[in-house]
Amino acid sequence: AQSVTQPDIHITVSEGASLELRCNYSYGATPYLFWYVQSPGQGLQLLLKYFSGDTLVQGIKGFEAEFKRSQSSFNLRKPSVHWSDAAEYFCAVGALMNYGGATNKLIFGTGTLLAVQP
Amino acid sequence: DGGITQSPKYLFRKEGQNVTLSCEQNLNHDAMYWYRQDPGQGLRLIYYSQIVNDFQKGDIAEGYSVSREKKESFPLTVTSAQKNPTAFYLCASKGTPTRATNEKLFFGSGTQLSVL
Repeated sequence: AQSVTQPDIHITVSEGASLELRCNYSYGATPYLFWYVQSPGQGLQLLLKYFSGDTLVQGIKGFEAEFKRSQSSFNLRKPSVHWSDAAEYFCAVGALMNYGGATNKLIFGTGTLLAVQP
Repeated sequence: DGGITQSPKYLFRKEGQNVTLSCEQNLNHDAMYWYRQDPGQGLRLIYYSQIVNDFQKGDIAEGYSVSREKKESFPLTVTSAQKNPTAFYLCASKGTPTRATNEKLFFGSGTQLSVL
């Protein structure tokens, strides 16, 4: 069965420090992988996605993620964190399903809450 | 067990027809969200509600309507004005964070809507 694991529930970093949020997935074929961010009082916003090709994916707000098939991981990174990055981050994997046509159902991790210290 | 329930799992719509997707939660959550997912794309926010009797448009609200008459329920109506309704629809809910806790986002299992 497909699954997504985000092992860190809470992470606190200092402003200006580097950040890495971990994501591991379980999937039988090449996955579609996503990172979302949810700021307080807001809906989910897509940061970046991986479908195929270059395993290092660039996203919005200075984030990047690297797909490592051998480790079944898709960790999110940012070289220098800003106070406005404090939010909850969700990793998700897309599973192909057929209803008379291909579509995707996302399976989400439980999220990692990022706090940023001044 | 507490959770969030979407129904039906599969739904077919005829041309010009309005259809309503159900989303119910028994988690006592204030905030509820509707997202749409198209093949190969991420989630897009349709509508969200932070509290009963109040809701706001998301990024792609045109052709959709919602109501929030009860805390537990946030139904989404896909109207005939939505010209491309075929997609996977995901409902989510979240409680109000407190100083001591952060309420997690809970997702329903989704509804696949297709046009006949």
